[in-house]
Amino acid sequence: DARVTQTPRHKVTEMGQEVTMRCQPILGHNTVFWYRQTMMQGLELLAYFRNRAPLDDSGMPKDRFSAEMPDATLATLKIQPSEPRDSAVYFCASQKGLYNSPLHFGNGTRLTVT
Amino acid sequence: SQQGEEDPQALSIQEGENATMNCSYKTSINNLQWYRQNSGRGLVHLILIRSNEREKHSGRLRVTLDTSKKSSSLLITASRAADTASYFCPYNAGNMLTFGGGTRLMVKP
Repeated sequence: DARVTQTPRHKVTEMGQEVTMRCQPILGHNTVFWYRQTMMQGLELLAYFRNRAPLDDSGMPKDRFSAEMPDATLATLKIQPSEPRDSAVYFCASQKGLYNSPLHFGNGTRLTVT
Repeated sequence: SQQGEEDPQALSIQEGENATMNCSYKTSINNLQWYRQNSGRGLVHLILIRSNEREKHSGRLRVTLDTSKKSSSLLITASRAADTASYFCPYNAGNMLTFGGGTRLMVKP
């Protein structure tokens, strides 16, 4: 079964450090989403890409977050510098085609910033 | 809010019983989807219903859509302990899905 792979699964870091999360979408899927999940805010869309081009990153704090797709098999989400309020589970999801296709989620990166 | 709003927020039932969750939204949609999230895992797609469909089945799942009321429901029949999870109903009104807070379902053995 093809699936979305996220690394690392868990990350604990100190405030001020850079954090990089990686996502390998399902081969052939041309749309990639980054979501953040917290108890208070639920699932928030941070950014998404289609055919590697960023289409919307309005959900992302621009001063510290950046998202890229260096190639079709890798999406990255970076936080620099990290803050305790960034503690959350970050999910990557990929989709084939357009809006009538389901999203396939990875199992997330649980980030703790102390 | 642009999100699909699930109701109730939490539901506890006994194994074998049916579970019904509802979802409301505010805009015109292309489709509405239901996802399940087990604890510590990513979301898993369950079913997609298009705006011109009224009902859809998949195994023990039955989804209805009422576009005039801007609402959908998910029925899980003969629930099992393994159905314990959070359920979400994001809808698509453009190019992306936006999620609500979900319904937390607990099925007691």
